[in-house]
Amino acid sequence: EVQLVESGGGLVQPGRSLRLSCAAYGFIFEDSAMHWVRQPPGMGLQWVSGINWNSGFTGYADSVRGRFTISRDNAKRSLYLQMNNLRPEDTALYFCTRGSGYDTYSEYDYWGRGALVTVSS
Amino acid sequence: QSVLTQPPSVSAAPGQKVTISCSGSSSNIGTYHVSWYQQFPGTAPKLLIYDNDKRPSGIPDRFSGSKSGTSATLGISGLQTGDEADYYCGTWDSSLSAGLFGGGTKLTVL
Repeated sequence: EVQLVESGGGLVQPGRSLRLSCAAYGFIFEDSAMHWVRQPPGMGLQWVSGINWNSGFTGYADSVRGRFTISRDNAKRSLYLQMNNLRPEDTALYFCTRGSGYDTYSEYDYWGRGALVTVSS
Repeated sequence: QSVLTQPPSVSAAPGQKVTISCSGSSSNIGTYHVSWYQQFPGTAPKLLIYDNDKRPSGIPDRFSGSKSGTSATLGISGLQTGDEADYYCGTWDSSLSAGLFGGGTKLTVL
């Protein structure tokens, strides 16, 4: 059974950093692109960042480019999101999602339950 | 404002059919496949349609998808009260090198 389990969320002050992790189970991790998608309270889904199977491509939404860094460790079956210089508008539930193929343009076929990040002083 | 445009809400009676549109451009829907996601309050989204018109295992054939040019449509027939949820379209954009979601459509089954 495919499972994605996020961790690392919490309350952080504006300007500080946080690192999200996603542990993957039940599939060949290195065969899949991976993504972070967020959902601010009461709002819709926002794609944040994606990485292809071998880390050869990484992409970012304009709103986080230069502040967030996505990475993966295929040996540890884990996905990460390093979030620096956090802003109140980054407050959201962050979902780890699996792309159905090697590259980032395919659909998101499995989702974690999400990690809540709250940016507030 | 989302690059992909969806109606904020749609409604229909039980048993009827409803369609949800998703409008984009040549750099996204015009180039890449479209997927659709269903989300109930407090839960993670679930893949409903992929590659424009394909259903993952376990998704009833009441759900259908289509694409024409730079627009896509999700259809839900035989509406049930349990279909009340938020629905999102998604795709990739070659100009942005980024993933995209529509703003979401809230379905109400009257």
